[in-house]
Amino acid sequence: DTEVTQTPKHLVMGMTNKKSLKCEQHMGHRAMYWYKQKAKKPPELMFVYSYEKLSINESVPSRFSPECPNSSLLNLHLHALQPEDSALYLCASSQDQGSNEQFFGPGTRLTVL
Amino acid sequence: LAKTTQPISMDSYEGQEVNITCSHNNIATNDYITWYQQFPSQGPRFIIQGYKTKVTNEVASLFIPADRKSSTLSLPRVSLSDTAVYYCLVGDFASGGSYIPTFGRGTSLIVHP
Repeated sequence: DTEVTQTPKHLVMGMTNKKSLKCEQHMGHRAMYWYKQKAKKPPELMFVYSYEKLSINESVPSRFSPECPNSSLLNLHLHALQPEDSALYLCASSQDQGSNEQFFGPGTRLTVL
Repeated sequence: LAKTTQPISMDSYEGQEVNITCSHNNIATNDYITWYQQFPSQGPRFIIQGYKTKVTNEVASLFIPADRKSSTLSLPRVSLSDTAVYYCLVGDFASGGSYIPTFGRGTSLIVHP
């Protein structure tokens, strides 16, 4: 299984809502990533987990809260988002944190009203 | 900081060879160069990775000169389905040694019939 799955595919939420994005991989990868991608821009790294521990937080606002319950799952909890947070949120995994060969999920298209 | 520069867009025709160059003047000594392909509303897909000289797989070739300050992705005999955005990726190493993958701005390739 060389697939990274993400749910939901689309999410519309208000600024006062709490929601979660989910990501799963069964490739035995030890590093997992969250990226944010705005239209016509490259993916921007948000968080990196290595061996289920948060390794990198790229100065992401606290309204985004990552969680890695186990080596196969990665969540992104959303609370009190702003309209400018609307974007495609991509999850990826790699063999380890030093590997540039990342496997990406299809993304969650988030719209904040 | 490692930073990459790519052409914003390129046009080609079916059956032609396409070469996309990425500049990465400050690449770290131990960093690899990785290229991804992304279709609209999908996650990026790994194409090829290299450290120096030439790497070839079933999809593309990657040419890296001795100084490693640039790299060229070569797509042989492109087809309409190769229309996509192509990203060059190198990384930075944070003060604690953590590796931070950084995407270039991407090159939008349009293949015409």
